[in-house]
Amino acid sequence: SQTIHQWPATLVQPVGSPLSLECTVEGTSNPNLYWYRQAAGRGLQLLFYSVGIGQISSEVPQNLSASRPQDRQFILSSKKLLLSDSGFYLCAWRRSSTGELFFGEGSRLTVL
Amino acid sequence: GIQVEQSPPDLILQEGANSTLRCNFSDSVNNLQWFHQNPWGQLINLFYIPSGTKQNGRLSATTVATERYSLLYISSSQTTDSGVYFCAVDSTLGRLYFGRGTQLTVWP
Repeated sequence: SQTIHQWPATLVQPVGSPLSLECTVEGTSNPNLYWYRQAAGRGLQLLFYSVGIGQISSEVPQNLSASRPQDRQFILSSKKLLLSDSGFYLCAWRRSSTGELFFGEGSRLTVL
Repeated sequence: GIQVEQSPPDLILQEGANSTLRCNFSDSVNNLQWFHQNPWGQLINLFYIPSGTKQNGRLSATTVATERYSLLYISSSQTTDSGVYFCAVDSTLGRLYFGRGTQLTVWP
């Protein structure tokens, strides 16, 4: 069966520091991968999605970037964090046969 | 993009009560999912239901694609049902559009 994991689960970082959140998927090949952010107030905002290695689409211009160095690995990064980058970050993969989306456990980022 | 509206935004129930959550969407869809976000933030898949009716225990869902809405029914609610319920739809296999969710609180 397929599983998705993200880490770290919780992160507290100072303003101006770098960021790296990692997501890996097991049990499937060539998945579509997604990064979402959920700020206070519930809404989920799509940040990036990837349909293959090295292929990244950005939905919203911002202080973040994404990379997909391997088929089942998706990384969210920042060179210098802003206070506004605080939030709950969720990685997801999509089952290609149905379009069904599955989420990882999430990473809670607090920028101080 | 597709507009997704969920109602009600907040719902407070006593344990044992039944409830209906609604999701309206603005265009034809190929995919519709219901998720439950638990108090720890994890998003749990409840239903993949682009059309028809499905049931899983105390939960059931119905999507009427021609009328562009879906309903999530929760019967005999329990405190563990608390959290935010999201509806998400798409018309292609590119991205999902999420509603803003319904915050459900179940009191013992």
